[in-house]
Amino acid sequence: GIQVEQSPPDLILQEGANSTLRCNFSDSVNNLQWFHQNPWGQLINLFYIPSGTKQNGRLSATTVATERYSLLYISSSQTTDSGVYFCAVDPFSGGYNKLIFGAGTRLAVHP
Amino acid sequence: GAVVSQHPSWVICKSGTSVKIECRSLDFQATTMFWYRQFPKQSLMLMATSNEGSKATYEQGVEKDKFLINHASLTLSTLTVTSAHPEDSSFYICGGGNNEQFFGPGTRLTVL
Repeated sequence: GIQVEQSPPDLILQEGANSTLRCNFSDSVNNLQWFHQNPWGQLINLFYIPSGTKQNGRLSATTVATERYSLLYISSSQTTDSGVYFCAVDPFSGGYNKLIFGAGTRLAVHP
Repeated sequence: GAVVSQHPSWVICKSGTSVKIECRSLDFQATTMFWYRQFPKQSLMLMATSNEGSKATYEQGVEKDKFLINHASLTLSTLTVTSAHPEDSSFYICGGGNNEQFFGPGTRLTVL
């Protein structure tokens, strides 16, 4: 099956710093999403981005589908950005939108 | 975005009992919904695809007789963990959506 690799696995930042999270996937996909999992376990949708670039406030994402990777940029990080960031892809699996998750990047932002 | 609810948010049960978790799509109709399990400090692992009006599709290694899935309407899917054991203790999350997927808040199951 498809492999989804995220890097780095852990990241520690000072408040105000910028960061880039990477997601590589091993096969073509229908869909790619980025999520932030908060301390209570809720998955918060950040981007639905099968290709191209999107921005939402301090966050932006780029997916280059032909090269099978996506990047999540966090600028001017805040302590509330702490948590786990997951990339998830929907492989060309025939009719369903099921998502396969990467292992995540665990981000800690210190004041 | 779409809203998915789950109930209960947490449950503690004795070993050998069965637990039912409900997943509802509140503002969209879901012909399919997905059930995931997440162990501490790990990623979300897809367990099964719930299909409205038909049998669920289970991922390799997931026991279909242990994790019973019912999708009786376009807004409700249920996961029943039968004869639960301590190793079934985990965080269970359901999700759905038309293209973009949205997830419920999760159910934390602890089996004593």
